[in-house]
Amino acid sequence: RKEVEQDPGPFNVPEGATVAFNCTYSNSASQSFFWYRQDCRKEPKLLMSVYSSGNEDGRFTAQLNRASQYISLLIRDSKLSDSATYLCVVVKSASKIIFGSGTRLSIRP
Amino acid sequence: EAQVTQNPRYLITVTGKKLTVTCSQNMNHEYMSWYRQDPGLGLRQIYYSMNVEVTDKGDVPEGYKVSRKEKRNFPLILESPSPNQTSLYFCASSLVAGGPFRDEQFFGPGTRLTVL
Repeated sequence: RKEVEQDPGPFNVPEGATVAFNCTYSNSASQSFFWYRQDCRKEPKLLMSVYSSGNEDGRFTAQLNRASQYISLLIRDSKLSDSATYLCVVVKSASKIIFGSGTRLSIRP
Repeated sequence: EAQVTQNPRYLITVTGKKLTVTCSQNMNHEYMSWYRQDPGLGLRQIYYSMNVEVTDKGDVPEGYKVSRKEKRNFPLILESPSPNQTSLYFCASSLVAGGPFRDEQFFGPGTRLTVL
């Protein structure tokens, strides 16, 4: 079993829709959690950190559930420009930075 | 402009021919790291460095070497490349405060390596 698992998708949703991704992790000692966005053949870029209290940045909301060991990302009112691959990242230590394999999202007009 | 640069961006080589991929950052970050990205496997950490002259293995270090003689540079060396090292490679850097635990990692544009 992978240490970090994501549904690979692709998720194909219409513009304006709300879409949610989950990411599960197996190491309960994990300390930090992030969502990164990666456009095709480009480098990953930080979308947002994920805190136990949840955090929101505009149309994006991230949640952490330590008890069930998953993190989630919610995108409201999706835009064409949201089409990308979303990577969840779970950090236990400097040598234990685990990236999920990514969830592909495609927004259609 | 704050950035991480990698060179070359694309490289096709043959088995056994030593190569170096350079990585440089201009943000005075102490933490630097190398990853490889393969379809279905996500990014996997090869080596990382907490500071100058301090390097350590990540998840997939076999076949790779690194050095950190200066804060800004963190080259990745493949002494004898093999076809299973064909991959997309990313260098990343991060502030020392909490290292990668809480801080954003800034990635270079990637190096696409093909080993024939």
